[in-house]
Amino acid sequence: SAVISQKPSRDICQRGTSLTIQCQVDSQVTMMFWYRQQPGQSLTLIATANQGSEATYESGFVIDKFPISRPNLTFSTLTVSNMSPEDSSIYLCSVSATGELFFGEGSRLTVL
Amino acid sequence: EDQVTQSPEALRLQEGESSSLNCSYTVSGLRGLFWYRQDPGKGPEFLFTLYSAGEEKEKERLKATLTKKESFLHITAPKPEDSATYLCAVTGSSNTGKLIFGQGTTLQVKP
Repeated sequence: SAVISQKPSRDICQRGTSLTIQCQVDSQVTMMFWYRQQPGQSLTLIATANQGSEATYESGFVIDKFPISRPNLTFSTLTVSNMSPEDSSIYLCSVSATGELFFGEGSRLTVL
Repeated sequence: EDQVTQSPEALRLQEGESSSLNCSYTVSGLRGLFWYRQDPGKGPEFLFTLYSAGEEKEKERLKATLTKKESFLHITAPKPEDSATYLCAVTGSSNTGKLIFGQGTTLQVKP
């Protein structure tokens, strides 16, 4: 398994601001994923982040809104830019290890 | 298009009352079907991966089975601590590493 730490665990943000979420893994992993879980909903993949290349975004998600960095094999960041109340969600980092997908505890963002 | 549908949306059981959760899927070239448990305010906790029809896996009171069209999560003699949302997800040959999640089944077990 993999141990995944996310920061912040929760935050309250003002409309129009941006917030960067950090994801740290205790081992080197090739693929890291960012998911969003809106209130009462299931998980939706935002993008796949591989070290050394640009992130691959899913339909409905764009780099200008959700820029991602992947500077090494144990760390990634997701920025939620120019936030609106519709961005209030839990953002989850996940990694693929030993054929399984493991998740962090998530970052709960509330946008006022 | 890959798709996952879970039923029921919510399930209430008495402690000790066994039941099953269903996960129906449509995916091109199934690579794996995953079951997760999610407690409120927490990230999903990995339970099982199933790779081919006929495969079964067990963990304590949980047993997951897989056919070519659906998976079941059987809960035997559940306890209140089994209360959680159970998520099913699949990955296919066209989406390596990417999971398509169902909406989940929220299970409540009353003592």
